[in-house]
Amino acid sequence: NAGVTQTPKFQVLKTGQSMTLQCAQDMNHEYMSWYRQDPGMGLRLIHYSVGAGITDQGEVPNGYNVSRSTTEDFPLRLLSAAPSQTSVYFCASSTGDSRVRGYTFGSGTRLTVV
Amino acid sequence: KQEVTQIPAALSVPEGENLVLNCSFTDSAIYNLQWFRQDPGKGLTSLLLIQSSQREQTSGRLNASLDKSSGRSTLYIAASQPGDSATYLCAVRSSGDKLTFGTGTRLAVRP
Repeated sequence: NAGVTQTPKFQVLKTGQSMTLQCAQDMNHEYMSWYRQDPGMGLRLIHYSVGAGITDQGEVPNGYNVSRSTTEDFPLRLLSAAPSQTSVYFCASSTGDSRVRGYTFGSGTRLTVV
Repeated sequence: KQEVTQIPAALSVPEGENLVLNCSFTDSAIYNLQWFRQDPGKGLTSLLLIQSSQREQTSGRLNASLDKSSGRSTLYIAASQPGDSATYLCAVRSSGDKLTFGTGTRLAVRP
């Protein structure tokens, strides 16, 4: 089925470890973004990309890196995990004219940093 | 900076009742507004998208309205069912390629 695929679904990290959250979409969407969801704070934008080779920071980018080498993939890297990065992470993609564009979300990655 | 507020934060209703969820935003210069449903431990499912030039959108028992000038949107759910129990999120797309989310309304429909 076409859509946004996130892996892994669950992950436990120790403080200081690094890891990459994977996101792939097969809809040829040019726009991709990463959000984190924390209780009482809603979803907040971490990084986003408007096309291959182009990325920009969102509201809460500190501690995260991204790259966009292909249209399909938009990995999120945690270089040195901290307990404050315990959250649920969602990847989203979109295409089309900005007036009619809607976003498709992945099923999320639940990350715990101990 | 765009801010999105959803009221109420939680709602419990008996099955069959019609209900309204509210979403307000501070900057009326938006491209569109999207309503999502989120089940516990799951991802976001898009329900309705209203373009800035539109007043409402309908899908089945759901109707979403948009009053851009007053910075408000409502999601109307007709004849609620236990399967409608979930958290409902509204998100506004304004400048740049960013969505700003509200914190959601957690809905429980009692059989």
